[in-house]
Amino acid sequence: GAVVSQHPSWVICKSGTSVKIECRSLDFQATTMFWYRQFPKQSLMLMATSNEGSKATYEQGVEKDKFLINHASLTLSTLTVTSAHPEDSSFYICSARVGEGRENYNEQFFGPGTRLTVL
Amino acid sequence: RKEVEQDPGPFNVPEGATVAFNCTYSNSASQSFFWYRQDCRKEPKLLMSVYSSGNEDGRFTAQLNRASQYISLLIRDSKLSDSATYLCVVNGPRYIPTFGRGTSLIVHP
Repeated sequence: GAVVSQHPSWVICKSGTSVKIECRSLDFQATTMFWYRQFPKQSLMLMATSNEGSKATYEQGVEKDKFLINHASLTLSTLTVTSAHPEDSSFYICSARVGEGRENYNEQFFGPGTRLTVL
Repeated sequence: RKEVEQDPGPFNVPEGATVAFNCTYSNSASQSFFWYRQDCRKEPKLLMSVYSSGNEDGRFTAQLNRASQYISLLIRDSKLSDSATYLCVVNGPRYIPTFGRGTSLIVHP
């Protein structure tokens, strides 16, 4: 199956700092990547859909100025949590989807996640 | 009504048991359906896609009922290693995914 990496796998930062998380598709080109957030004992909540070369589409209630998404290439999307606060502490997971027309187009391949703790 | 609903459980079953999970969805225009498995503090991993005709993969059987808008997952001969949270995922129009809250399964000796 397709492999997606995320970096860093965990990060601890002080309140007010910005944190950048990278999501890479290692062996395929991903026209679409998704960013999720998961709080303990809760489901994954879609934050935004990221399409290569265009602006991300944010879900209702997600502040686009706080969660900056850049999908500059077919293999890399980044999520920057700006001015992080303790309530932003969560498990952030990205997923990537192969291009339309490819086999398994509907399937998402998940990165291993980034655990963010804001002190 | 939530877009995708699952019974959170936990389902606590002995090894060898058969267990079934259901998931209902509200958007009749939903395009595709999946079951994912998520272990504690790990990312979700695809278990199986769900096709209209139903599909089976070893001990796992998935079914889709479009008329009633639900999908199901049946696990036969449960193993200890099946203990995890099972997530129902529904792709809506434009293939935007929505996750259910997950159903927790605990298989005990």
